[in-house]
Amino acid sequence: GENVEQHPSTLSVQEGDSAVIKCTYSDSASNYFPWYKQELGKGPQLIIDIRSNVGEKKDQRIAVTLNKTAKHFSLHITETQPEDSAVYFCAASRGSARQLTFGSGTQLTVLP
Amino acid sequence: NAGVTQTPKFQVLKTGQSMTLQCAQDMNHNSMYWYRQDPGMGLRLIYYSASEGTTDKGEVPNGYNVSRLNKREFSLRLESAAPSQTSVYFCASDRRRTDTQYFGPGTRLTVL
Repeated sequence: GENVEQHPSTLSVQEGDSAVIKCTYSDSASNYFPWYKQELGKGPQLIIDIRSNVGEKKDQRIAVTLNKTAKHFSLHITETQPEDSAVYFCAASRGSARQLTFGSGTQLTVLP
Repeated sequence: NAGVTQTPKFQVLKTGQSMTLQCAQDMNHNSMYWYRQDPGMGLRLIYYSASEGTTDKGEVPNGYNVSRLNKREFSLRLESAAPSQTSVYFCASDRRRTDTQYFGPGTRLTVL
């Protein structure tokens, strides 16, 4: 089955700096890669996703890049703000499958 | 439009007791999912239901049963709770495969 590894497990940045979280996946047939943000005591919420026919996608301060050859994808947050502090999860799935495989999560702390 | 709702929010059980976690969505989604979240392990799929009337095992189904009561509701049952089932349980739904999964607020279960 699919295996998704996520690094780092914790990340602290100064407000205004950029943050990068990286994930690798094992199943070359995976073609959908979402990123979720989970605030304390709440369920995960989708913040951005990318499909395998696209190399990069941006949404304001958030971007995701995908390297299919190397089987890795990354989340980039620019101009970080204290409200960006949360746990971030990457995930992967195949179009023919009905399940997401999640990474183990990254605790991002934005220091004021 | 409440999205995905889960009851209860918190529950404490003794080993061997049974209980049912309830989940409902009002977004007319076809697919529904149950995940468990343990520290440092991300979210792992327990069971899913691709459509009303169907259910399938996920990554960690042992010790659980599910019922897709109708299009809106998907319940998770623990017949004989064990301490290893102490976790936070999330229900999610989506319109079809690879679409955005929307998560509920979670149920925090402790088995003593």
